[in-house]
This record gives sequence, structure tokens and C-alpha cells, in this order.
Amino acid sequence: QQQVKQSPQSLIVQKGGISIINCAYENTAFDYFPWYQQFPGKGPALLIAIRPDVSEKKEGRFTISFNKSAKQFSLHIMDSQPGDSATYFCAARNSGAGGTSYGKLTFGQGTILTVHP
Amino acid sequence: DTAVSQTPKYLVTQMGNDKSIKCEQNLGHDTMYWYKQDSKKFLKIMFSYNNKELIINETVPNRFSPKSPDKAHLNLHINSLELGDSAVYFCASSRTSSLFFGPGTRLTVL
Repeated sequence: QQQVKQSPQSLIVQKGGISIINCAYENTAFDYFPWYQQFPGKGPALLIAIRPDVSEKKEGRFTISFNKSAKQFSLHIMDSQPGDSATYFCAARNSGAGGTSYGKLTFGQGTILTVHP
Repeated sequence: DTAVSQTPKYLVTQMGNDKSIKCEQNLGHDTMYWYKQDSKKFLKIMFSYNNKELIINETVPNRFSPKSPDKAHLNLHINSLELGDSAVYFCASSRTSSLFFGPGTRLTVL
């Protein structure tokens, strides 16, 4: 129930194309859904995040689409650029108070995005 | 003005040795974490530490122990290193929802 399933494992897109990464979850106690971007040799960095009371959030070329009933959310990268090549992680936070789950982020398995020039 | 820093960046050691990785955050955050990233890039939480409360992922061997001398530091000590401990270890901190990761320490056990 704590899992977040992410797909695809890897993605190759041409420059200017749209990159789409999908995540699905089971636990209805998740209340915050961030995406992290990790470049080689660096730590993951927060890219964009959404709460389940909205269906979409856009920041520049990056958009999160959220479907609460389907328990799915996705990251769309418009006009993908070679500089977007990185590993992307979706995550979900458990809102439950107490115990070992409180505040803990559960990460998806990661998607390696390659944008060809 | 690095937010979360770790030392060393690379650590190469022999099986059976004991080693430590240091972590410091200057963000004033009250919760710190250690994550392990394996060769397939999967991120697994090991520990979280908040105001003297330590929460341990039950799958982490007790050879791993975090130690926090103060709110800004959470160091990771590893005893009797094994080949399977080779990975990248990330320190992170948070105040509310967002995690801020350090640059990582690549540990190689020979």
C-alpha cells in the first residue's frame, strides 16, 4: 500500500517533443505529490509538486496532471530540451500522524529521460 | 552557501571496515534523513531524525547508525562494511513537505 509505481523506466524523446512520465499509487492517505529531478552525480532536487485538491499544476514547461479517482499523476515536459535529460522521480507523502509513516516520502522507481538534440 | 552538504563525496574501503559519512544542513530544518540509492537508481529511506526522535526503516541492518550531535548535523556510521553496502548515500532535510538533498556520497566496498 505504500508503493508508488512509476513508468516508463526509460524514455527517449527528440528535442521539442513532449515527455510524459506516469505514476500510480494505492494509499489514500497520500496528500502531497512532488516530482524530483536528478542529474548525474547530483542529489535529487524538487522540480514541481501538487496537492490532491487540484487536477493540474503548471510551472513553465513542466505540468503535473492529477487524477484523484484513478490514483494516478503524471509529469509532462513540453518542448523537451537536451538539458532536461536526467532521472525523474515521482513521490508521495503519507499524511498519517504518528508511527513510522508520518511525513515520509515514498519514491517511485525513477525514469531516465534522454532528450536527443 | 550550500544548503545540505556531505563529506566525503567518494569513499572507497575494504570489506569489514567501519566508516562514517558526515552531513550538515544550514537551512534551519528540523528533520533530517538518510537515503540509499542503489545501482538501479532506486531511492530507499534509511532513517529520519526529528528532535531526538529517530525513525528507522526496519529493513536497514543495525550495522548502520545515525548520530546527531546537533540539529544541523546527522552523521551516518557504518560498521563491518559489506560488498552490498556499495551505493550512493544521500543526506536530506525538510521542514514541511519538501526534501532538500545533499550531493551524495558514493561508497564503494572492495
